[in-house]
Amino acid sequence: AQSVTQLGSHVSVSEGALVLLRCNYSSSVPPYLFWYVQYPNQGLQLLLKYTSAATLVKGINGFEAEFKKSETSFHLTKPSAHMSDAAEYFCAVNPYNNNDMRFGAGTRLTVKP
Amino acid sequence: KAGVTQTPRYLIKTRGQQVTLSCSPISGHRSVSWYQQTPGQGLQFLFEYFSETQRNKGNFPGRFSGRQFSNSRSEMNVSTLELGDSALYLCASSSDGTGDNSPLHFGNGTRLTVT
Repeated sequence: AQSVTQLGSHVSVSEGALVLLRCNYSSSVPPYLFWYVQYPNQGLQLLLKYTSAATLVKGINGFEAEFKKSETSFHLTKPSAHMSDAAEYFCAVNPYNNNDMRFGAGTRLTVKP
Repeated sequence: KAGVTQTPRYLIKTRGQQVTLSCSPISGHRSVSWYQQTPGQGLQFLFEYFSETQRNKGNFPGRFSGRQFSNSRSEMNVSTLELGDSALYLCASSSDGTGDNSPLHFGNGTRLTVT
């Protein structure tokens, strides 16, 4: 079954530094891939999605992700971290093009002043 | 447009009781999905309803059930509560239920504590 693996349960960066959150997927066909963010005591908010239209996907809040088939990766990046980016980030795959999404374990991002 | 609304935000129940959680989707959305989020298991898909019919179901016991009404509002019921049912229950809606062109919009969840 298709799944995603997020490398690193915790990532800490300084304000203004590059954010890199790693996600690898297991799939033999191009999947539907997503990144969601969850702030404390809130639900998940969609950051961006990959649906094969373009390998570099731009999302909200300055985030982007690049789909690399050769590496089966879909890493999330942001050039300059802001304090408000502190949250938990989830990579997800939609294997059957329905709403049975498979989420990674999540990466908690801490931003230091 | 109002977002996905889940009520109540917090619930405390005793083992053996049953509980009903409610979800109002974004206006016009016909698909409602439910997820359970726990520290140990992460986010797990419970089921999805589309036009009042359960369309997909995750790997949860029959104690977990749901329904959807004609106005797309959905309820989730858990009977004979167990301590392990303590979790954040998230509801998500989408317009037509297909993943790529109809992303999920999540509510803020109902935090259920079973004592």
